[in-house]
Amino acid sequence: AQTVTQSQPEMSVQEAETVTLSCTYDTSESDYYLFWYKQPPSRQMILVIRQEAYKQQNATENRFSVNFQKAAKSFSLKISDSQLGDAAMYFCAYRSGDDKIIFGKGTRLHILP
Amino acid sequence: GAVVSQHPSWVICKSGTSVKIECRSLDFQATTMFWYRQFPKQSLMLMATSNEGSKATYEQGVEKDKFLINHASLTLSTLTVTSAHPEDSSFYICSARSGTGWSQPQHFGDGTRLSIL
Repeated sequence: AQTVTQSQPEMSVQEAETVTLSCTYDTSESDYYLFWYKQPPSRQMILVIRQEAYKQQNATENRFSVNFQKAAKSFSLKISDSQLGDAAMYFCAYRSGDDKIIFGKGTRLHILP
Repeated sequence: GAVVSQHPSWVICKSGTSVKIECRSLDFQATTMFWYRQFPKQSLMLMATSNEGSKATYEQGVEKDKFLINHASLTLSTLTVTSAHPEDSSFYICSARSGTGWSQPQHFGDGTRLSIL
């Protein structure tokens, strides 16, 4: 069974600085998707970025980028120029071939003004 | 595009009553929808996969008779919590995949906060 591990329950970063959230996963599949979702206090799940496993190039969305290391089964999220609106719970997620999404336990990100 | 609407957003009811939560895809058809449960300060746990026109597939440990899922059309799935008790209080979120290919992303509803007194 696939698992997703986020080892950092909470993190803090100064506004305008860069922060990296860690995520590792375990799977025997060769083709899958990885995601980072943001959940603000409103509880809405917002897709931040996604990565297809067969693509070697790391995904980038404006200030958000990932470091995808397939062999190491690592998928970290880097947030550049952190903003107050980035404060939220961040979930790393894995989607398998049967379309199920497995979420990590989340990392709560605090932005310090 | 690709909006998923959940209703109600918050419901409070007495123990023993049944509660129905609706999940609608507003601008796309979804043959498959998913129901998740999230306890306070915890992650989302998949409860079941809802398939249009067929029975839902439940994850291990989820009571089928407790959580009734009906996917009546390509735009609507409902989750009914039967004879709800305080331990059923949680945040329930649905998602729907647009398109038929599994490469298509899942879109999440805004969730329903269920409080059982």
